[in-house]
Amino acid sequence: EAQVTQNPRYLITVTGKKLTVTCSQNMNHEYMSWYRQDPGLGLRQIYYSMNVEVTDKGDVPEGYKVSRKEKRNFPLILESPSPNQTSLYFCASSWQRPDSPLHFGNGTRLTVT
Amino acid sequence: DAKTTQPPSMDCAEGRAANLPCNHSTISGNEYVYWYRQIHSQGPQYIIHGLKNNETNEMASLIITEDRKSSTLILPHATLRDTAVYYCIVQKWSGGYQKVTFGTGTKLQVIP
Repeated sequence: EAQVTQNPRYLITVTGKKLTVTCSQNMNHEYMSWYRQDPGLGLRQIYYSMNVEVTDKGDVPEGYKVSRKEKRNFPLILESPSPNQTSLYFCASSWQRPDSPLHFGNGTRLTVT
Repeated sequence: DAKTTQPPSMDCAEGRAANLPCNHSTISGNEYVYWYRQIHSQGPQYIIHGLKNNETNEMASLIITEDRKSSTLILPHATLRDTAVYYCIVQKWSGGYQKVTFGTGTKLQVIP
């Protein structure tokens, strides 16, 4: 089954403790992206990747890192999480074609205390 | 990239057609209109997309005005399961996707 898999689904951590949220897709998509969703603010793009080793900042990249060493994986790294990064995170992927929609994962709910 | 404007909320009676408008007055020629929906806090789900022509699939119809400055998503017979937040976005294709920006969408409430 074609899917985008995020792990973990829920994560509670403390300020400053490095964490990684994983994202994997099995559709051989070139494009991958991370979003965060906060009440009243909709989905905001954090980082995106157009292909392996090609990443760029979205609208809210501060406090996050990403890497794209292989096509299927696009982990989101919070080196020193802070409470304002408490949010619902989504990973998405698509083909690099003009008629290709985004496929989203089921989300990771992160709480930083 | 073009921005979109949607009403924050709408109601629709069950069984009736739901017409969700979207304004994208600054859209350029290589930008596609996409619609997604998000039920509760699940990942957004793709519904339909178009460039110039009207489109229909098993879920919905998309009507794009001739000047492409606005569009309407039509759910022909809304059910309670269609209660969700609907996002209209424009995706710019210039040899590849780069930033893909979502707004806050329209919260559709289907009423029994």
